[in-house]
Amino acid sequence: GAGVSQTPSNKVTEKGKYVELRCDPISGHTALYWYRQSLGQGPEFLIYFQGTGAADDSGLPNDRFFAVRPEGSVSTLKIQRTERGDSAVYLCASSLLPRTGGGEQYFGPGTRLTVT
Amino acid sequence: AQTVTQSQPEMSVQEAETVTLSCTYDTSESDYYLFWYKQPPSRQMILVIRQEAYKQQNATENRFSVNFQKAAKSFSLKISDSQLGDAAMYFCAYRSSYGTYKYIFGTGTRLKVLA
Repeated sequence: GAGVSQTPSNKVTEKGKYVELRCDPISGHTALYWYRQSLGQGPEFLIYFQGTGAADDSGLPNDRFFAVRPEGSVSTLKIQRTERGDSAVYLCASSLLPRTGGGEQYFGPGTRLTVT
Repeated sequence: AQTVTQSQPEMSVQEAETVTLSCTYDTSESDYYLFWYKQPPSRQMILVIRQEAYKQQNATENRFSVNFQKAAKSFSLKISDSQLGDAAMYFCAYRSSYGTYKYIFGTGTRLKVLA
């Protein structure tokens, strides 16, 4: 596809359940980012992948959050034992190698997670 | 740590008029990038304009232009000839030229365009 895609578009889950959110970046983009956007706020950084490895996971709020990118393309954000405070829009973005040019990030439409 | 501040939670503009959205930031770095993104109700973040800190010339993209004041750490967005389709949330973002290149966003400004 031409842009970043994310699935599902919306996810409703019960407190305590496990969820997986998927991101499919633009083909050829080596950098991939996850952000979390709470209601009325700007996106907040969670984790950054360069290729298959997590180069910076300093934004992950706690050990219930984990992300993988095993083949350097698709990434999955995994949340264990979900809490109501995890409810937010989770945005994925990809870019070319940031050191080349401006490295602007292209965003997907996000997954709205609601924990009941 | 870097911070980005957008002090206008909401702005309104008449169709065809001009509006300016404000953004200030704090950093000790000398080399960085600044961006304005638009987020309509569809949630898709769309790049509006970007500015490299080492360039003194203000960036322009059609009806969109910025006023970049590096010493004052200010980065405002001017939208000329406003159109109904410009209505959205606008986010200012900072990106270092070092480290992991993550964006730091402001809290956003909701722009309403009045017909």
